[in-house]
Amino acid sequence: EVELVESGGGLVQPGGSLRLSCAGSGFTFSNYWMHWVRQIPGKGLVWLSRINIDGSSTHYADSVKGRFTISRDTSKNTVFLQMNSLRAEDTAVYYCARNYASGNSYPGVGYWGQGTLVIVSS
Amino acid sequence: IVMTQSPLSLPVTPGEPASISCRSSESLLHRNRDNYLDWYLQKPGQSPQLLIYLGSNRASGVPDRFSGSESGTNFTLKISRVEAEDVGIYYCMQSLQTPFTFGPGTKVDLK
Repeated sequence: EVELVESGGGLVQPGGSLRLSCAGSGFTFSNYWMHWVRQIPGKGLVWLSRINIDGSSTHYADSVKGRFTISRDTSKNTVFLQMNSLRAEDTAVYYCARNYASGNSYPGVGYWGQGTLVIVSS
Repeated sequence: IVMTQSPLSLPVTPGEPASISCRSSESLLHRNRDNYLDWYLQKPGQSPQLLIYLGSNRASGVPDRFSGSESGTNFTLKISRVEAEDVGIYYCMQSLQTPFTFGPGTKVDLK
């Protein structure tokens, strides 16, 4: 069974940094693109970033480009989201997600973690 | 690519059909002739779950009362007979080009 478990969320001051982690299990981690998506409580879903299977290619939403960095450690079956220069509007639940299909085929998101809450406030 | 959905709120009656529309501002047709459009359901208090991928393909384990159809830049999710467990917010998402974008969501609840 595919499982994605996020960690690292919490309260951080504006301008601060936070690193989210997502551990994957139940599948061959190295075969799948991984994503981060966030959701302000009570609001819709916003795609943030994705990373390819070997970490050589990344993409970002404009709202986080230059502030957030996605990376992966295949030896630990983990994907990360380094978040710098955090703002109040970054307050949200952050979901880790996996491509539905393996390899470089269909890029759609198939499986989601339970999310981790990030609160940016002084 | 901007995604829109209608309606934004949909009261449903168990056993009755339901339909949600999603429209993209640009074609989602990949050169392989597939539409890169997915449908997700986020049940109350849960993470989203994939229902339909490539516009009309049911994801593994999804009941066959759910179906997706495509016509140009218009996409439709249909539930043949709504069950109580189908309540939640339905989102469409395009994955043709980054940044991937979601529709605003359609909240489905029971009448």
